[in-house]
Amino acid sequence: DAKTTQPPSMDCAEGRAANLPCNHSTISGNEYVYWYRQIHSQGPQYIIHGLKNNETNEMASLIITEDRKSSTLILPHATLRDTAVYYCIVRPNSGNTPLVFGKGTRLSVIA
Amino acid sequence: EAQVTQNPRYLITVTGKKLTVTCSQNMNHEYMSWYRQDPGLGLRQIYYSMNVEVTDKGDVPEGYKVSRKEKRNFPLILESPSPNQTSLYFCASSLRGLGEKLFFGSGTQLSVL
Repeated sequence: DAKTTQPPSMDCAEGRAANLPCNHSTISGNEYVYWYRQIHSQGPQYIIHGLKNNETNEMASLIITEDRKSSTLILPHATLRDTAVYYCIVRPNSGNTPLVFGKGTRLSVIA
Repeated sequence: EAQVTQNPRYLITVTGKKLTVTCSQNMNHEYMSWYRQDPGLGLRQIYYSMNVEVTDKGDVPEGYKVSRKEKRNFPLILESPSPNQTSLYFCASSLRGLGEKLFFGSGTQLSVL
């Protein structure tokens, strides 16, 4: 079972920031938060991951609350090509515990 | 270009006819894995391989075989396909394991009649 809770869908206006929330209240101390996205039946694409500090890369920013029970993925300037299903996953950063993709959030970027 | 290549993209077959879905990566990754994706069930891991000649079962291995004779290739074999194996299949790889960024192929849509 997925250990995360995400809203099933969200809309965002093109050019605005998209803030995608994720609840992971049972996260363990050694578990990281990963974000992937899947654009219409293509293979999932890695976005970002973090443990407790906020992270930023060329695609997005990841904000993790101090108690680590929730996080937010931020796409700073959403484009139509960012329309996809976004998956928040928690797992240890080693070993082969499979990535458990839940239902994710379907983000629709609207012109 | 760094990529994971799956073939074929689409495949329609009949029950019992053996088939192989190929997967190849050009990134010298040690770890490779197969997933299937079904509506309402998300992505589920079928098999994975930590390195050449090392494979292990994932969550849903029944009805599938894999082999890892070379680092770059990780074919998925269905010896006797059945309709419940109709699904969208993805191959993925990473440098060493799941803790690192996983690269996915474009997928293979399989229909077993």
